[in-house]
Amino acid sequence: AQSVTQPDIHITVSEGASLELRCNYSYGATPYLFWYVQSPGQGLQLLLKYFSGDTLVQGIKGFEAEFKRSQSSFNLRKPSVHWSDAAEYFCAALNTGFQKLVFGTGTRLLVSP
Amino acid sequence: GAVVSQHPSRVICKSGTSVKIECRSLDFQATTMFWYRQFPKQSLMLMATSNEGSKATYEQGVEKDKFLINHASLTLSTLTVTSAHPEDSSFYICSASYNQPSGEADTQYFGPGTRLTVL
Repeated sequence: AQSVTQPDIHITVSEGASLELRCNYSYGATPYLFWYVQSPGQGLQLLLKYFSGDTLVQGIKGFEAEFKRSQSSFNLRKPSVHWSDAAEYFCAALNTGFQKLVFGTGTRLLVSP
Repeated sequence: GAVVSQHPSRVICKSGTSVKIECRSLDFQATTMFWYRQFPKQSLMLMATSNEGSKATYEQGVEKDKFLINHASLTLSTLTVTSAHPEDSSFYICSASYNQPSGEADTQYFGPGTRLTVL
C-alpha cells in the first residue's frame, strides 16, 4: 500500500542548530513529494515540493529537502533553526493517477532557547 | 498567490443542529477542492474530493448524508455537517488545487481550518 512514514513523532532542537526531519515513502513509482508546516490551530502551509529534476529542492523560510530515490526518502533540512520554526511538519506524497495526497503522521518540532 | 480561506474559523453548536463551513480560493480558480478532518495531534484524514459542478467523491467510511459537500463555483466549496453530534467535533481543513498548464501535478493549497465544537 502507498504510504508515507515520518519516523520521529517529535524532535527538540536548540535555536541556531541545524535540523533534519525524516520522511520515507512507499510507492510503486516515484510520487510527487511535499512538505507542509502547521502552526497550532492553523491550516497547512506549503514549504516546498519535488516533482522532478534537481533532487535538492529549495523552499520558503530557509528550508530545503533532498530527494533520494535509492533510500525512498525526502528529508527536510534547515541549517539554523529559529524559535518561530516550532510547529508540526507533515511530509506528503501524491500519486497523480489518483490525485489523493497521502500524509505522514507528522513531526512536532520543539525549539529550545 | 494561491490563498485559500475558510469561514468560520471556529464554531460552537448544539447537538442536532447543522453547521456550514465555507472554503474559498481567493486568487485562483480551483478545479478541485478537498475536505480533511484532523483529530488532535494526528494527521489529516481525507473526507472527500469535489470538482466544480459535480458530486463529491467521498472516502470510505465517510457518511455522505452527514457531511454534505457542495462545490457550486470554481472558487467556493461548502461542507455542511448535518445533525451534528459531539463526536463530530474536530478540526476541518479544506484545500484547493488547479490544473497546472505545465502538466505538473496539482499542488494543494490549504485553508486555515475550522474548529467545530458540538455541545
